[in-house]
Amino acid sequence: KAGVTQTPRYLIKTRGQQVTLSCSPISGHRSVSWYQQTPGQGLQFLFEYFSETQRNKGNFPGRFSGRQFSNSRSEMNVSTLELGDSALYLCASSRQDNYGYTFGSGTRLTVV
Amino acid sequence: KQEVTQIPAALSVPEGENLVLNCSFTDSAIYNLQWFRQDPGKGLTSLLLIQSSQREQTSGRLNASLDKSSGRSTLYIAASQPGDSATYLCAVTLYGNNRLAFGKGNQVVVIP
Repeated sequence: KAGVTQTPRYLIKTRGQQVTLSCSPISGHRSVSWYQQTPGQGLQFLFEYFSETQRNKGNFPGRFSGRQFSNSRSEMNVSTLELGDSALYLCASSRQDNYGYTFGSGTRLTVV
Repeated sequence: KQEVTQIPAALSVPEGENLVLNCSFTDSAIYNLQWFRQDPGKGLTSLLLIQSSQREQTSGRLNASLDKSSGRSTLYIAASQPGDSATYLCAVTLYGNNRLAFGKGNQVVVIP
């Protein structure tokens, strides 16, 4: 059984650029969540999607956005990158509400 | 707002000793609590999920307890091994809120 797949694994971008990260959940999982992990702030919730609808959003600026497709795959986009956006971005999927989450290996984004 | 605290931030134990990791949370109206393990630069691996109606969960050398009334969970790792060296993260989900609130983690080093 395939796990949660995140691509790419590593990214280096320049300030001001935009970036798109991809997440393929476990087959049959309809809920996909995104988290940002930094040494200073730890793991912070970005947003959660279920059946192509954003159900929850964390306290991040509008430069952070996401979407979910009909096959449950999800993408998140960060526009006008800032140095502080450098982080490990983790995606998690769940079979049903509050049933426990499975995480991917993450995308390491470095903004220079 | 749910606050999750894990103390101590870091600890070292000799191989063979039992590990005891503590997690506390401020809002007892949780749906479940999940313990994760994270190796450096990697994603999160789910260890144990405890539903709010449960008092504990066990998997091999791991045992996690949950006391909602006091807002505490404890993860026990029996007979620690060098391969147990990692960061252990505690996360809770509130009722009707499909997001995880994480502690900052316990960084564990098991000394051979």
